[in-house]
Amino acid sequence: EAEVAQSPRYKITEKSQAVAFWCDPISGHATLYWYRQILGQGPELLVQFQDESVVDDSQLPKDRFSAERLKGVDSTLKIQPAELGDSAMYLCASSLGRESTGELFFGEGSRLTVL
Amino acid sequence: AQSVSQHNHHVILSEAASLELGCNYSYGGTVNLFWYVQYPGQHLQLLLKYFSGDPLVKGIKGFEAEFIKSKFSFNLRKPSVQWSDTAEYFCAVNAWGANNLFFGTGTRLTVIP
Repeated sequence: EAEVAQSPRYKITEKSQAVAFWCDPISGHATLYWYRQILGQGPELLVQFQDESVVDDSQLPKDRFSAERLKGVDSTLKIQPAELGDSAMYLCASSLGRESTGELFFGEGSRLTVL
Repeated sequence: AQSVSQHNHHVILSEAASLELGCNYSYGGTVNLFWYVQYPGQHLQLLLKYFSGDPLVKGIKGFEAEFIKSKFSFNLRKPSVQWSDTAEYFCAVNAWGANNLFFGTGTRLTVIP
């Protein structure tokens, strides 16, 4: 069964350092999402790509977060500088089409701890 | 704006007990509704979904959910839980025509053998 791949699974960093997360969606999935899940809460959308274009980044803290999906396949989410409040699970998801089915396939996530 | 409320934060049941997890959403238009499950150490996965038609939908592992439009609810049910159902359950909604999902805060289910 095809899966969404994410790396690293775990990242510990000190505040003010830069961190990056990588995601490889299921092959052929046009839409890619980055969600942030703080402990005890549900996932919240950070950014959504349709192919290589950003569809929604309204909740992305653009002063420190950036995301790209240059060739419309894999994607990188970067945080610079990291802050204590960024400690969370960063989830990548993908969906097949450009029209809504809402059925997202999630990766296992990258857990970030900022010290 | 869309929002999803899950009022049960942690539910503890004995095996064979019946389960009902509440989910209410706020959105005035047509919505698609979902329940996702996250087993310990695993990724989020789809349990069931409602797009249209019969408001009672059946998912994997014996779960079902009922969409009650007048109550803006989409409660998850299972007649007899098993220890392996121990997981976190998330209700999610997206507006028809949109891709993004809005998630509730989740309900942690612990099933005691």
